[in-house]
Amino acid sequence: KQEVTQIPAALSVPEGENLVLNCSFTDSAIYNLQWFRQDPGKGLTSLLLIQSSQREQTSGRLNASLDKSSGRSTLYIAASQPGDSATYLCAVASDRGSTLGRLYFGRGTQLTVWP
Amino acid sequence: ETGVTQTPRHLVMGMTNKKSLKCEQHLGHNAMYWYKQSAKKPLELMFVYNFKEQTENNSVPSRFSPECPNSSHLFLHLHTLQPEDSALYLCASSQDDAGLNTGELFFGEGSRLTVL
Repeated sequence: KQEVTQIPAALSVPEGENLVLNCSFTDSAIYNLQWFRQDPGKGLTSLLLIQSSQREQTSGRLNASLDKSSGRSTLYIAASQPGDSATYLCAVASDRGSTLGRLYFGRGTQLTVWP
Repeated sequence: ETGVTQTPRHLVMGMTNKKSLKCEQHLGHNAMYWYKQSAKKPLELMFVYNFKEQTENNSVPSRFSPECPNSSHLFLHLHTLQPEDSALYLCASSQDDAGLNTGELFFGEGSRLTVL
């Protein structure tokens, strides 16, 4: 069974810092990897999706990389802002014939950016 | 409306009640999902519907009963729940034509369920 681990569990930083959030997964047979953001009491917002054949994706101040062979992904947040405060979730879709929407989630990194 | 809409946003029910959660997607997707997010576990898949047919049931107790009348609507019927079923229930949708899509999931805001 796929296991997804996110480190650190929580992170508190001053505004302006560049951040790295880590995600690791045990089974490298993935179809894609998604990074989500979740605000308290809210649903999930998709930030970036990396296909298994890709190495990275960028959106604004966010950059996500994927090293499928080693089972790792990182989410890089540049010039962090208080509005970035949220929980960031990493999820992988298996490439073993199951429904693509069957995602395996990590527990998330709770990020706090203070002014 | 756009995206994935869930109602109600909050629900409190007793263990003998019967209630339903509703999800509607306006994205033209053909696959819909129920996920459960409880305080002590990662998000976990409950049910998958693809073209209105249930394709996965992730060993969910029978007190949770899904219904998918068409590709845009998904329900989760609840009856005789337990306090440990209190959680955030999230609906999601995607375009699940294998090989023709990215597999990206779009989630609703969730229904926060409290079982007394």
